Amino acid sequence: SYVLTQPPSVSVAPGQTARITCGGNNIGSKTVHWYQQKPGQAPVLVVYGNSDRPSGIPERFSGSDSGNTATLTISRVEAGDEADYYCQVWDSGSDRFGGGTKLTVL
Amino acid sequence: QLQLQESGPRLVKPSETLSLTCSVSGGSINTMAYFWGWIRQPPGKGLEWIGNIYQSGITNYNPSLKSRVTISADTSRNEFSLKLTSVTAADTAMYYCARRGLTGYDPFDIWGQGTMVTVSS
Repeated sequence: SYVLTQPPSVSVAPGQTARITCGGNNIGSKTVHWYQQKPGQAPVLVVYGNSDRPSGIPERFSGSDSGNTATLTISRVEAGDEADYYCQVWDSGSDRFGGGTKLTVL
Repeated sequence: QLQLQESGPRLVKPSETLSLTCSVSGGSINTMAYFWGWIRQPPGKGLEWIGNIYQSGITNYNPSLKSRVTISADTSRNEFSLKLTSVTAADTAMYYCARRGLTGYDPFDIWGQGTMVTVSS
């Protein structure tokens, strides 16, 4: 089965740029979506179709996808961005999620 | 605005069947434009896709759960349901329902708030 690998944690200071990766075999050929989940809340879609943002999501959130790695980039990180982030793809008839990355804002 | 709301028993005994319903308001599930799915999250762990259903009744399931899962839809009540048989403590999780576009390029764009189900005697 298709495996998506995310680092368990990423830390960044406020105002800096956070990059959260999602590794998968030839993930560059797939469409990647990213979700943000704050404690006690349901996941929220922040990037879809590799790099598009739903309405209401700040432009600070962006995505890219190439080779074996997809990346969620959060620019000018704010305290409110602290959350778990999950990547997701569709592969061989199944939806698959990465293990999640906890973003800590120092 | 479309909203999804999960409901069902919060406590299920081991070996019994977990049954949940997702009620949809602000839109119809009887549409050719979307799948309707279930995702779960054990305490302190990541998201796990369970399965999806299309308005025609077509379903697809996570292979690791397929033997125990049934997802069905009741378009007259505008809701869809999850049944998971022979549950164990490993099935203790927050269960979410969500809407998903039809193609492999579409995300889960609207989620319910989730309902916590504990498997315990």
